[in-house]
Amino acid sequence: EADIYQTPRYLVIGTGKKITLECSQTMGHDKMYWYQQDPGMELHLIHYSYGVNSTEKGDLSSESTVSRIRTEHFPLTLESARPSHTSQYLCASSVTAPGTQYFGPGTRLTVL
Amino acid sequence: AQTVTQSQPEMSVQEAETVTLSCTYDTSESNYYLFWYKQPPSRQMILVIRQEAYKQQNATENRFSVNFQKAAKSFSLKISDSQLGDTAMYFCAPGGSQGNLIFGKGTKLSVKP
Repeated sequence: EADIYQTPRYLVIGTGKKITLECSQTMGHDKMYWYQQDPGMELHLIHYSYGVNSTEKGDLSSESTVSRIRTEHFPLTLESARPSHTSQYLCASSVTAPGTQYFGPGTRLTVL
Repeated sequence: AQTVTQSQPEMSVQEAETVTLSCTYDTSESNYYLFWYKQPPSRQMILVIRQEAYKQQNATENRFSVNFQKAAKSFSLKISDSQLGDTAMYFCAPGGSQGNLIFGKGTKLSVKP
């Protein structure tokens, strides 16, 4: 098992709330990623970072934002959650890009 | 841009038998990597096997092996001696010089006792 952690694992929240999904890794990887995955479906890259103070948007447009102030930490924030944000969010990291990505356990978000 | 196709949405196999999952991709790059990932029900995504495109030899990891056909842009995964714990979604993911992986829609594999 890779040392990459996500909290919370499950989150049920009302519309309009601000939320932050946490992702941390202890492997010292420079590259980190956020994916969105609906149940039983493919992963879509929404954000990535190749190092501290570097963030980019992925292939799937997302209303979320990310920050990378420390190498080990890559949080994702939704300023105002909506039911359309209901999904699973997976965080991953890698040494190189492209390279083997190590995934966290995911956060399953439900917005009512 | 890279694209990836997994043409088998669902497959099933009897325990101890062999199954092959197919994957085709499109890329204009000459140097890239290919990955198979496994996502068991309600569990973490983990790497099954990886292949560097410049290597002609097919990668193997215990019961898992690939058939990499570079000219045909095909990257199939063979699971030998299937076990109940192999039940999972399997994703094919090529990655090129832009650095990111593109995931296919996945194949849901069920191993039956």
